[in-house]
Amino acid sequence: GENVEQHPSTLSVQEGDSAVIKCTYSDSASNYFPWYKQELGKRPQLIIDIRSNVGEKKDQRIAVTLNKTAKHFSLHITETQPEDSAVYFCAASSKSNYQLIWGAGTKLIIKP
Amino acid sequence: DSGVTQTPKHLITATGQRVTLRCSPRSGDLSVYWYQQSLDQGLQFLIQYYNGEERAKGNILERFSAQQFPDLHSELNLSSLELGDSALYFCASSVDGGAKNIQYFGAGTRLSVL
Repeated sequence: GENVEQHPSTLSVQEGDSAVIKCTYSDSASNYFPWYKQELGKRPQLIIDIRSNVGEKKDQRIAVTLNKTAKHFSLHITETQPEDSAVYFCAASSKSNYQLIWGAGTKLIIKP
Repeated sequence: DSGVTQTPKHLITATGQRVTLRCSPRSGDLSVYWYQQSLDQGLQFLIQYYNGEERAKGNILERFSAQQFPDLHSELNLSSLELGDSALYFCASSVDGGAKNIQYFGAGTRLSVL
């Protein structure tokens, strides 16, 4: 079945360093890949997304890269700050294009 | 504030009971999604509705059911509750239910089954 694997499950980085979270999807028909951030006790919110017709998208300190051949996409956060501490979820559109298949989440910890 | 309203915020009940969670989508959004998030777990997709009709089904138990009403609000009914049903239940809405639409999440209903 359709599946999205997300790694690592927990990532601890020093403030100011970069963080990279990687997701691998199974369905080659997937063409939309969003990333959601969930701060402690809050609701998930979209932070960036990418469609399959581009290989990279940036928004200030965050970027997402997509490798369609290898069927993986990654979230890159540069110059990490304490407010980046959260759980990050990746997702990929399903074959039906109606729902998202979600990764299990990565808990990002920014060490002061 | 995402514009998605979920009530109640908290619900405490006993095993074997039945509860109803309510969700009002953002103004103009036609699609509603329900998710379950257990402690320190990911988002488990339960079910999606679009304009009153079921559109996609995830890992929703037979004890759970949902519907979307003509005014587009949605209710998730959980029956014969078990301890393991304790979780945060999120509702999200999107414009037309396509996978490429942004999903706006409500604040969630925290269900505790004792």
